[in-house]
Amino acid sequence: GQQVMQIPQYQHVQEGEDFTTYCNSSTTLSNIQWYKQRPGGHPVFLIQLVKSGEVKKQKRLTFQFGEAKKNSSLHITATQTTDVGTYFCAGPSHSKAQGGSEKLVFGKGTKLTVNP
Amino acid sequence: ETGVTQTPRHLVMGMTNKKSLKCEQHLGHNAMYWYKQSAKKPLELMFVYNFKEQTENNSVPSRFSPECPNSSHLFLHLHTLQPEDSALYLCASSQDRRGTTEAFFGQGTRLTVV
Repeated sequence: GQQVMQIPQYQHVQEGEDFTTYCNSSTTLSNIQWYKQRPGGHPVFLIQLVKSGEVKKQKRLTFQFGEAKKNSSLHITATQTTDVGTYFCAGPSHSKAQGGSEKLVFGKGTKLTVNP
Repeated sequence: ETGVTQTPRHLVMGMTNKKSLKCEQHLGHNAMYWYKQSAKKPLELMFVYNFKEQTENNSVPSRFSPECPNSSHLFLHLHTLQPEDSALYLCASSQDRRGTTEAFFGQGTRLTVV
């Protein structure tokens, strides 16, 4: 079935440094979603990318969807302590082996820690 | 507040106990999900319900029994659990089950099996 791979698993940065997490799918995705989970919290939706090569920005966060729609990245400029958490990417699964059922498949996440 | 409410927030149960987790969504969504989150598998899909019907059972042991009486409510009945079942159990909902719309998560139930 479709897998969503995310790297790195952990990233520790000094406050003010940039941060990037990468997401790769074994199949073409119709869309990709990004979520953030703060320590002790639950995943919260950040953004959805749909178009090939799409780039979206939310303040210091830049999200990109690859031309082939099989990879995506999240880049944070000048990290702050409020950016701490785990960032997940997710994409729809289209496994025919599962009787055509579809579901949102999450990567394992990148845990970001920021040293003030 | 995400519109998805889970109770209880914390639960400690013995291996012979029977307990239930409850999830309620006020978003008018058609699909609801149970996820298990642990250190080993950050977001592991357990069950998917669409319009009250179970459309996915991700090889979950029978000691976990879901119930979806209507599109707004989802339960997870627990019995004879093992210590390795200790984890954060997250409920989520979305407009549809096809992964094309965002998922809204509840705050989770932190389960400890002793």
